[in-house]
Amino acid sequence: QDQLAQSGAEVKRPGASVRVSCKPSGYTFTDYYIHWVRQAPGQGLEWMGWINPKSGGTNFAHNFQGRVTMTRDTSIGTVYMELSSLRSDDTAVYYCAKPSKQYTMLRGVIVTTDNWFDTWGQGTLVTVSS
Amino acid sequence: QSVLTQPPSASATPGQRVTISCSGSDSNIGMNTVNWYVHVPGTTPKLLIFSNNKRPAGVSDRFSASKSATSASLAISGLQSEDEADYYCSAWDGNVNGPVFGGGTKLTVL
Repeated sequence: QDQLAQSGAEVKRPGASVRVSCKPSGYTFTDYYIHWVRQAPGQGLEWMGWINPKSGGTNFAHNFQGRVTMTRDTSIGTVYMELSSLRSDDTAVYYCAKPSKQYTMLRGVIVTTDNWFDTWGQGTLVTVSS
Repeated sequence: QSVLTQPPSASATPGQRVTISCSGSDSNIGMNTVNWYVHVPGTTPKLLIFSNNKRPAGVSDRFSASKSATSASLAISGLQSEDEADYYCSAWDGNVNGPVFGGGTKLTVL
């Protein structure tokens, strides 16, 4: 059974950075992209971006470009999401999620769009407060 | 502001049928399939419907969904108190090369 295990809760000051880890198990690490989705208090789910664990390639939602970094360590099978210049409105639960199908890329664009998240991490609460 | 538009709330009494709408555009729902997730605060989101109208194993047939052009809808029949949760639509969006979500609909069972 596929699982995603995330790191624990974090408390950060405004302006700081936070790094959240996500360790997949139950499947080959490099076979599936990992996405990051967050939910702020009282708000809906917000997609942040994805990383290709095989190549390290990334793609970020416009709202996070310039502030988010996604990396992976293939030696330990873990992906990371780092968000910098934290603000109070970055307080949220951050989830990693795995798509149900492997992606096919065509000229940098994912074409396997009939896809959904079949596995989610347990969520990591990041609190930004002075 | 979410890319897909859902009503913020919906309510009905036990046993009734309720529908939740989801409106998008050509770049997302118009070109790609729609998925629905259910989320109880404090837990992990769970897949409810995939590929417009398919239910994963274990999801009750009280849940159904459809898609037409750039809109989709989720229907829940025989409403039960345990259905109280937040419901999200999602679809791939070619403009962002990633998925987009609706703002979520909080379902209250009166």
